[in-house]
Amino acid sequence: GAGVSQSPSNKVTEKGKDVELRCDPISGHTALYWYRQSLGQGLEFLIYFQGNSAPDKSGLPSDRFSAERTGGSVSTLTIQRTQQEDSAVYLCASSPWTGTNYGYTFGSGTRLTVV
Amino acid sequence: KNEVEQSPQNLTAQEGEFITINCSYSVGISALHWLQQHPGGGIVSLFMLSSGKKKHGRLIATINIQEKHSSLHITASHPRDSAVYICAAGESGNQFYFGTGTSLTVIP
Repeated sequence: GAGVSQSPSNKVTEKGKDVELRCDPISGHTALYWYRQSLGQGLEFLIYFQGNSAPDKSGLPSDRFSAERTGGSVSTLTIQRTQQEDSAVYLCASSPWTGTNYGYTFGSGTRLTVV
Repeated sequence: KNEVEQSPQNLTAQEGEFITINCSYSVGISALHWLQQHPGGGIVSLFMLSSGKKKHGRLIATINIQEKHSSLHITASHPRDSAVYICAAGESGNQFYFGTGTSLTVIP
């Protein structure tokens, strides 16, 4: 597609349930990032994929969070046993290469609400 | 101390005013981004800078690598410029660090 696509755009879930968030990057973009923006907070880095390399998971806040990227394209962020503090907008971005002289393209985000 | 600091946090301007948003960073970088987020909307990348100055329409972004400082300027501001502006800085092949954003409101 023309841009980074995220689904669903909105998700309301009960505390304790698992959720999966999907990101379709721009075709050919080798780098993919997940970020989180909690209410009133700045953007928080979660995880970064670059090609076939092992992902940089240093930003994942707990072991309830995991992400995978299949075939170097689509990525899924999974949150297990959701908590209310997980409520946030989850943003995906892709770029043609690792943050050197190429800009990001962001998706429009998934707004997650844990009730 | 955050790796990326923005100021001001909130800014209200009258239509037509010249606006400046500042960003200071403490990390080594290969690129700095200015992003725009409209209420309820997605994030748009406005500029990516590694040196000097870039201009796009009424928007101008500058960076001083030695001082680790960047500014985003909006000339002849308009209510449709109302948004959150976010500075992000990072090193090649690594994560980016984000400022907490500057919320701009332009009043007609």
